[in-house]
Amino acid sequence: AQSVTQLGSHVSVSEGALVLLRCNYSSSVPPYLFWYVQYPNQGLQLLLKYTSAATLVKGINGFEAEFKKSETSFHLTKPSAHMSDAAEYFCAVSDRNSGYALNFGKGTSLLVTP
Amino acid sequence: GAGVSQTPSNKVTEKGKYVELRCDPISGHTALYWYRQSLGQGPEFLIYFQGTGAADDSGLPNDRFFAVRPEGSVSTLKIQRTERGDSAVYLCASSPHVDTGELFFGEGSRLTVL
Repeated sequence: AQSVTQLGSHVSVSEGALVLLRCNYSSSVPPYLFWYVQYPNQGLQLLLKYTSAATLVKGINGFEAEFKKSETSFHLTKPSAHMSDAAEYFCAVSDRNSGYALNFGKGTSLLVTP
Repeated sequence: GAGVSQTPSNKVTEKGKYVELRCDPISGHTALYWYRQSLGQGPEFLIYFQGTGAADDSGLPNDRFFAVRPEGSVSTLKIQRTERGDSAVYLCASSPHVDTGELFFGEGSRLTVL
């Protein structure tokens, strides 16, 4: 069964600093990989997705992620953090064996300090 | 609005009672998913529908949980004999196609079992 592991339940960065949120996946078949964001009191929103096309995926709000098969990773990055990036971030995986139902990680809470 | 709508947004009930949670997906979306999110955890898959039929209900925790989607649009998640451990936010999501993996989430129904 496919799964994801997010390293670090809480990450704190200064405004303007690099954001790096880590995600490693496990899947027996080629995976689809996703990052979702959940702002306070809002629903989950898709940031970006990888579905076997380009390995470097660009998403909304300046975020991007790179699929690295050799490392089974799909880390999320943003060059310069904004205060508005403070939220909960979830990595998720799906594949055809699971009927494409998403399996989510436990999430990483991003705190941005002035 | 055009998004996924979930009602009620908050439900407080007593242990042993029956609860129904409703999801109205985005018009035209054929796939509908239910997830459960406990505090500090990522969303946990419960069940998904392709049209009217439950394509995968492997995430339902036990036979107290049941979901229907009789006309291929609105879905109802039903919980019998509620227990305190059922307290969580129940998320609904829809997707235009089951194999895109891109889910559009509602804001959830927060269930509290006293």
